[in-house]
Amino acid sequence: DIQMTQSPSSLSASVGDRVTITCRASQSISSYLNWYQQKSGKAPKLLIYAASSLQSGVPSRFSGSGSGTDFTLSISSLQPEDFATYYCQQSYSIPRTFGQGTKVEIK
Amino acid sequence: QVTLRESGPALVKPTQTLTLTCTFSGFSLSTSGMCVSWIRQPPGKALEWLARIDWDDDKYYLTSLKTRLTISKDTSKNQVVLTMTNMDPVDTATYYCARSNVGVPDYWGQGTLVTVSS
Repeated sequence: DIQMTQSPSSLSASVGDRVTITCRASQSISSYLNWYQQKSGKAPKLLIYAASSLQSGVPSRFSGSGSGTDFTLSISSLQPEDFATYYCQQSYSIPRTFGQGTKVEIK
Repeated sequence: QVTLRESGPALVKPTQTLTLTCTFSGFSLSTSGMCVSWIRQPPGKALEWLARIDWDDDKYYLTSLKTRLTISKDTSKNQVVLTMTNMDPVDTATYYCARSNVGVPDYWGQGTLVTVSS
């Protein structure tokens, strides 16, 4: 199984900050990487697919990059509604493993 | 409009079998490329992918749980069913179903919390 490792596990940031979350795969997954946002008590929401494609309806302040084993999710200017937990997931092979999550908290 | 809804028991006893149903609308599981997956999340923990069924009835399972899981579909009812045998308290989690279109889970149900306790 492919292991997905996110860093950091949590971070504190202020509204307006630029935030970057990284995700590393234990082997190359090409660009088969998705990012999700999950707010407390809610289902995950797809933000980015295929490493850098923005899902319809997702604000353009979210962006993704990377290929192979190293990926990043960036939020250009953090908004109050962005405080949540973010997960990466590989869609290269079965099982479709997730990272352990990165919690973005208010500073 | 794509929607999915999970249903099943909120409480099961250890060693019992859990049966969850995902009822969906807005797409057909007969359409090429469509899949439905089950994912779970123990309280306060990360997401864990469990199983997937494809439009052509191919089925895939998490290796560590393969002997306990069965996924099936009823295309006429727009339903996908997941059964998990020999439930244990560590299986306490919110269980989600999600649609995948060409491999990416893009729509999720709201989840159903299953507690395993005697």
